[in-house]
Amino acid sequence: GALVYQYPRRTICKSGTSMRMECQAVGFQATSVAWYRQSPQKTFELIALSTVNSAIKYEQNFTQEKFPISHPNLSFSSMTVLNAYLEDRGLYLCGARDGGGNSGNTLYFGEGSRLIVV
Amino acid sequence: QQQVRQSPQSLTVWEGETAILNCSYEDSTFDYFPWYHQFPGESPALLIAIRPVSNKKEDGRFTIFFNKREKKFSLHIADSQPGDSATYFCAASGTGNYKYVFGAGTRLKVIA
Repeated sequence: GALVYQYPRRTICKSGTSMRMECQAVGFQATSVAWYRQSPQKTFELIALSTVNSAIKYEQNFTQEKFPISHPNLSFSSMTVLNAYLEDRGLYLCGARDGGGNSGNTLYFGEGSRLIVV
Repeated sequence: QQQVRQSPQSLTVWEGETAILNCSYEDSTFDYFPWYHQFPGESPALLIAIRPVSNKKEDGRFTIFFNKREKKFSLHIADSQPGDSATYFCAASGTGNYKYVFGAGTRLKVIA
């Protein structure tokens, strides 16, 4: 079956430092990876959508300079939160879409990387 | 136009009752509507999904009802169990547009 591994599960970082998280798709080709942030008491904010061989599209209020993303192949994607501050706290989720044609638009989520900023 | 509205914000039902969660959308290009559930401390997991070619999708105790004309869809959880207690999110996306728009979530509590 389709699985998405995401790590680290939890990071505590000092204000102004950076955190990198990685997402590994197993059992399918992750042609598209969406990175979301789930803040306390809030729903999912889409940060950016990355499609292999296409430019990464960032949503309003999110920039490449703050959240650089790499999606070098069909099984791996990473995102870094640069210069993290309190407002960046939350659960970061990668959602990978199976581009193999078997699952349509289904997005498979990783376990999430929780960022705690102190 | 991209918004997905979800209600209620929280819902409490007794064990054995049917829980009904509702969502509506505005973008007529949306054609895929999944429901996810999320337990505390965990990531969201796909529960069930529907495409507008049908107005009903069943999977065990979980049923999606879809009304294309009114742009509404709902999740019915029959014979609710305490283990169903979680936050449920509806979402919508369009063909070729692989980003999901999520509802705000419904926190469901099933009391034994």
